[in-house]
Amino acid sequence: ETGVTQTPRHLVMGMTNKKSLKCEQHLGHNAMYWYKQSAKKPLELMFVYNFKEQTENNSVPSRFSPECPNSSHLFLHLHTLQPEDSALYLCASSQEAEDEQFFGPGTRLTVL
Amino acid sequence: AQSVAQPEDQVNVAEGNPLTVKCTYSVSGNPYLFWYVQYPNRGLQFLLKYITGDNLVKGSYGFEAEFNKSQTSFHLKKPSALVSDSALYFCAVREWNNNAGNMLTFGGGTRLMVKP
Repeated sequence: ETGVTQTPRHLVMGMTNKKSLKCEQHLGHNAMYWYKQSAKKPLELMFVYNFKEQTENNSVPSRFSPECPNSSHLFLHLHTLQPEDSALYLCASSQEAEDEQFFGPGTRLTVL
Repeated sequence: AQSVAQPEDQVNVAEGNPLTVKCTYSVSGNPYLFWYVQYPNRGLQFLLKYITGDNLVKGSYGFEAEFNKSQTSFHLKKPSALVSDSALYFCAVREWNNNAGNMLTFGGGTRLMVKP
């Protein structure tokens, strides 16, 4: 794999639940990203963190709340989600001075 | 705003034949272009990139891509396809944002099916 891990790999939750997705990168990168991949849409960038600071929120609903406690860890806190939020959530990281983003395997989220 | 188009939802090719997966882009400045591959139940894996220099870029697993500025294209190619190349392929263009830094815009993806 690519040095970016995500847990859990699969998650089923009800609309009233609160859960969190975790991402960890072992590559020494200083930028981390959350993407949403749905069946019918291209990859959608959700959030960007540079040096632990959120620098982009791509009009994401407030029921998604990111947290970046340090440059190696990224969380996505979920609450009161909707069925249309069911998707594959991908985490990625990159080194600011380089261009490639390295992706984790994703968390497959199903909202009932 | 920049954009990426992958005009084919699916490409079918026989094993051993050459393959091409198409990508066109629209950017305001110099394009930084990427190809990623996604196997089932996996994240995206970087294949290759074009930043500057030679228009023919070689990448992982025998793939290459040709940058064509006049046609604003960056098609992915391989001389001889393998069944194991069957996957979802994404073209992407990088935008540098002064606040967010390195941001990628992805195409819709093309599913490549290689049949024995």
